[in-house]
Amino acid sequence: GDSVTQMEGPVTLSEEAFLTINCTYTATGYPSLFWYVQYPGEGLQLLLKATKADDKGSNKGFEATYRKETTSFHLEKGSVQVSDSAVYFCALSDYGGATNKLIFGTGTLLAVQP
Amino acid sequence: DAGVIQSPRHEVTEMGQEVTLRCKPISGHNSLFWYRQTMMRGLELLIYFNNNVPIDDSGMPEDRFSAKMPNASFSTLKIQPSEPRDSAVYFCASSFAGRGGRNEQFFGPGTRLTVL
Repeated sequence: GDSVTQMEGPVTLSEEAFLTINCTYTATGYPSLFWYVQYPGEGLQLLLKATKADDKGSNKGFEATYRKETTSFHLEKGSVQVSDSAVYFCALSDYGGATNKLIFGTGTLLAVQP
Repeated sequence: DAGVIQSPRHEVTEMGQEVTLRCKPISGHNSLFWYRQTMMRGLELLIYFNNNVPIDDSGMPEDRFSAKMPNASFSTLKIQPSEPRDSAVYFCASSFAGRGGRNEQFFGPGTRLTVL
């Protein structure tokens, strides 16, 4: 079945460092891909999305490109801030799926130190 | 829009008691999802509804868990009897499914359940 694999954390960085969180997926169809972020004590929030190959999702300085050839959707940010400390989840859904069920990765904890 | 609303935000109960968690999805959304999050097991999908009908409840851990969606604006997740291992944060999420739907789920703030 469909699945998402993301790098294990925690990822610890200093402020202004470059961030990459790897995410790869397995899917039989043409999924949409998502990154969600969960700040401490809160629910998950959509960070960015991409719905087809070569699409780039971006938001708040974060970017991820839908790479069909490598089945990847790596999250990047050029300069992280302390306020970016959170858990990041990669997820996929079937394209045009009638149920909107998402398959989530296990989450990666990012800790940014001042 | 108020977003997905969950109540209560925190619940502390004793083993054996019945617990009812409540969710109000975003108006206009036709899919509703219940998740459980723990340190050990991460984020787990328990059950989801489409147009108020349960589509997949394979994630419901045991018969002690049940969920209902009597109308498009309300859902409950009930645990009876509760056990300490049910302690977790329970999230409700909603989305619009179908042609033109963006597949994006919106999460509520969660209910932190502690069973003593």
